Amino acid sequence: EIVMTQTPLSLSVSPGQPASISCKSSQSLLHSDGETYLYWYLQKPGQSPQLLIYEVSNRFSGVPDRFSGSGSGTDFTLKISRVEAEDVGVYYCMQTLQLPPTFGQGTNVEIK
Amino acid sequence: QVQLVESGGGVVQPGRSLRLSCAASGFTFSSYGMHWVRQAPGKGLDWVAVMSKDGNQKYTADSVKGRFTISRDNSKNTLFLQMNSLRAEDTGLYFCARSLRALDIWGQGTMVTVSS
Repeated sequence: EIVMTQTPLSLSVSPGQPASISCKSSQSLLHSDGETYLYWYLQKPGQSPQLLIYEVSNRFSGVPDRFSGSGSGTDFTLKISRVEAEDVGVYYCMQTLQLPPTFGQGTNVEIK
Repeated sequence: QVQLVESGGGVVQPGRSLRLSCAASGFTFSSYGMHWVRQAPGKGLDWVAVMSKDGNQKYTADSVKGRFTISRDNSKNTLFLQMNSLRAEDTGLYFCARSLRALDIWGQGTMVTVSS
């Protein structure tokens, strides 16, 4: 199975400052159809996960534009341009290129 | 609005069975693949199973293969997870989620506790 590795596992950020999370996959997530099946989720405290970014860099409906995704092949990054209090929670990357779908370990983001 | 509501969780002894349900509303259920994902207390997300939109294809994680069965009833807009031979390590919050490619809508989860 494809192993997803996130760094860092924990991040403390002051409001208004940027934040960045890395996700590396054990093999390329590029499909023969040209799409890359890499997704980012945020699980806020006490809530279910919510989709932020699909296929590397596309923001899901309603996601603020301070969130952006980038990368290719095996290396991906989620960036928050200016962290707000409502952004606290655990961020996960996920691949669905190959069964079984797999998640990163999660990155816990807190506000300083 | 688009909604997934899980039910059927509870406290069960090791070796016993439980059947989870996921009721869908607000969208055409039969147009989406459906997943189960679980989360042990204080831990990360752990994918469990998927079923295609027509129910003809399904796949389960190795950790539950032979014990858990995913199914769906498109006439009732409902997804199921039959869990047999439950173990302590199956304890967690079980989410259902719909997908075309991304798992874009998730339910709130139903808690399963396996304990003697």
